[in-house]
Amino acid sequence: EDQVTQSPEALRLQEGESSSLNCSYTVSGLRGLFWYRQDPGKGPEFLFTLYSAGEEKEKERLKATLTKKESFLHITAPKPEDSATYLCAVQAVIKAAGNKLTFGGGTRVLVKP
Amino acid sequence: KAGVTQTPRYLIKTRGQQVTLSCSPISGHRSVSWYQQTPGQGLQFLFEYFSETQRNKGNFPGRFSGRQFSNSRSEMNVSTLELGDSALYLCASSFTGAGETQYFGPGTRLLVL
Repeated sequence: EDQVTQSPEALRLQEGESSSLNCSYTVSGLRGLFWYRQDPGKGPEFLFTLYSAGEEKEKERLKATLTKKESFLHITAPKPEDSATYLCAVQAVIKAAGNKLTFGGGTRVLVKP
Repeated sequence: KAGVTQTPRYLIKTRGQQVTLSCSPISGHRSVSWYQQTPGQGLQFLFEYFSETQRNKGNFPGRFSGRQFSNSRSEMNVSTLELGDSALYLCASSFTGAGETQYFGPGTRLLVL
């Protein structure tokens, strides 16, 4: 069974204090790993898709990396508007083409000014 | 391009009733997936529809069902509501599915009393 574990569960940062979020996964075959950001009461907002070990993607203050067992989301010099829950999800290679995502529990990030 | 839309946004029902939620995917997207989000279980996959056929199903009881129409719009139905069905129900769409990024709607918040 596919499993995704995110750590830490919560993170309090001062504005400008860089940090990293971890996503460890177990999947029979990885088709893709996805990062989303979710604000309270809203749907997840897409950030990145990673497909193979060694891949990196960047967007503003965020950078996502992927290894064979985990992914990291690095937040550089965060601002208060980066406060949100960050969700990691994996999609496994399955016989029938499909689109099931298995999510981790998320990391709640609070950036204080 | 308009995003994924879901109606209604909020719903209050009583135990034993049934409910139907609606999702309109991004134009051109043919795969629609449904997820349930609760504080205790996080985001869990319900089912996926592609070309009016259910392609994947999560581990939920038969009270949860769905369908997709020829214009890719989708509905999900929950019969005989239980208190534990209170959750945020999220719909996500992608072009065809496997390996592609799913874009989420704002969700329908269901409260069962």
